[in-house]
Amino acid sequence: SQKIEQNSEALNIQEGKTATLTCNYTNYSPAYLQWYRQDPGRGPVFLLLIRENEKEKRKERLKVTFDTTLKQSLFHITASQPADSATYLCALDTGTYKYIFGTGTRLKVLA
Amino acid sequence: ETGVTQSPTHLIKTRGQQVTLRCSSQSGHNTVSWYQQALGQGPQFIFQYYREEENGRGNFPPRFSGLQFPNYSSELNVNALELDDSALYLCASSLEGRGHAYEQYFGPGTRLTVT
Repeated sequence: SQKIEQNSEALNIQEGKTATLTCNYTNYSPAYLQWYRQDPGRGPVFLLLIRENEKEKRKERLKVTFDTTLKQSLFHITASQPADSATYLCALDTGTYKYIFGTGTRLKVLA
Repeated sequence: ETGVTQSPTHLIKTRGQQVTLRCSSQSGHNTVSWYQQALGQGPQFIFQYYREEENGRGNFPPRFSGLQFPNYSSELNVNALELDDSALYLCASSLEGRGHAYEQYFGPGTRLTVT
């Protein structure tokens, strides 16, 4: 079955450093991959979408890479700030108008 | 804020009862997807409605059903509630069309507790 893995352990980094989150998937070849941010008790907020023919996408301090050979996406936040602390979710398109979400990685940026 | 609203915010029901959750999509969006999110887990896709028809369904039993109205708002109905149905229910609106990938705009969710 389709499976998405994100680091289940929380990631703690110092303010100003680059945070790198990983999303690995198996048994599927998605055309698109998305990253969302979720704060406790709130709905996810869309951050970035990357297509299978795009290697990298950037938006302000955010960067996403998509390696279809490794079946992996990396999500980077540069110059991280305490306000970036949240859970980050990756989601794969299944080609049938539904997305499969990972369990998310909780990021904590320490001041 | 995304412009997607959900009601109610919180709900407590008893096992065996039925519940209806509501979602108003963002202006201009014609598609609504519903997700169930258990604590510590990612959202699980329940189903999607596009122009008032079910457009895809996840691994949820038939007691989970939905509707989409002409104004693209939507309802999620759950019959014969079970304790495991306790979760955050999220709706997400998007604009679907041929050949495009769409970001989804989520509402704040409805927290359902089944006792």
